[in-house]
Amino acid sequence: GDSVTQMEGPVTLSEEAFLTINCTYTATGYPSLFWYVQYPGEGLQLLLKATKADDKGSNKGFEATYRKETTSFHLEKGSVQVSDSAVYFCALSDPGGAGNMLTFGGGTRLMVKP
Amino acid sequence: KAGVTQTPRYLIKTRGQQVTLSCSPISGHRSVSWYQQTPGQGLQFLFEYFSETQRNKGNFPGRFSGRQFSNSRSEMNVSTLELGDSALYLCASSRTEPSTDTQYFGPGTRLTVL
Repeated sequence: GDSVTQMEGPVTLSEEAFLTINCTYTATGYPSLFWYVQYPGEGLQLLLKATKADDKGSNKGFEATYRKETTSFHLEKGSVQVSDSAVYFCALSDPGGAGNMLTFGGGTRLMVKP
Repeated sequence: KAGVTQTPRYLIKTRGQQVTLSCSPISGHRSVSWYQQTPGQGLQFLFEYFSETQRNKGNFPGRFSGRQFSNSRSEMNVSTLELGDSALYLCASSRTEPSTDTQYFGPGTRLTVL
């Protein structure tokens, strides 16, 4: 079945450091890929998405490129801020697989120190 | 436009009781999905409803059930509560197909079973 694997955290960075959170996936069809962010005590917020190979999603300085050849969707940001501290989830939606559901990775906690 | 709302935000129940959680989707959204989030299992799909019909169901026991009303509002019910049902229950809505449309999440209902 479909699955998403992302690097375990926590990831601890200093402010203005470069961020990479790795995400790889397994899917039966041609999935859409997503990054969601969860701040303490809140639900999930969509950060960015990509719906086909080589698409780049971007938002708030974050970006990720849909790489079909490596089945990856790594999240990057050039300069993190303290306010980026949160848990980040990689997810996929596979129309050719289970269809109407999101499959999530385990989440990666990011801690940014001033 | 108002976001996804969930009520109540917090619940404390005892083993053996039953509970009903409510979700109001974004206006115009017809698909509602439910997810369970726990520290051990992460985010797991419960079920998805569209136009009052359950289209997809995750791997949860029959104690977990749901329904959707004609105004797209949804409820989920858990009967005979167990300690392991303690979790954050998240509701998400999308216009039509969650596999292609973006899902927007509510803040969640935190259920504690004593």
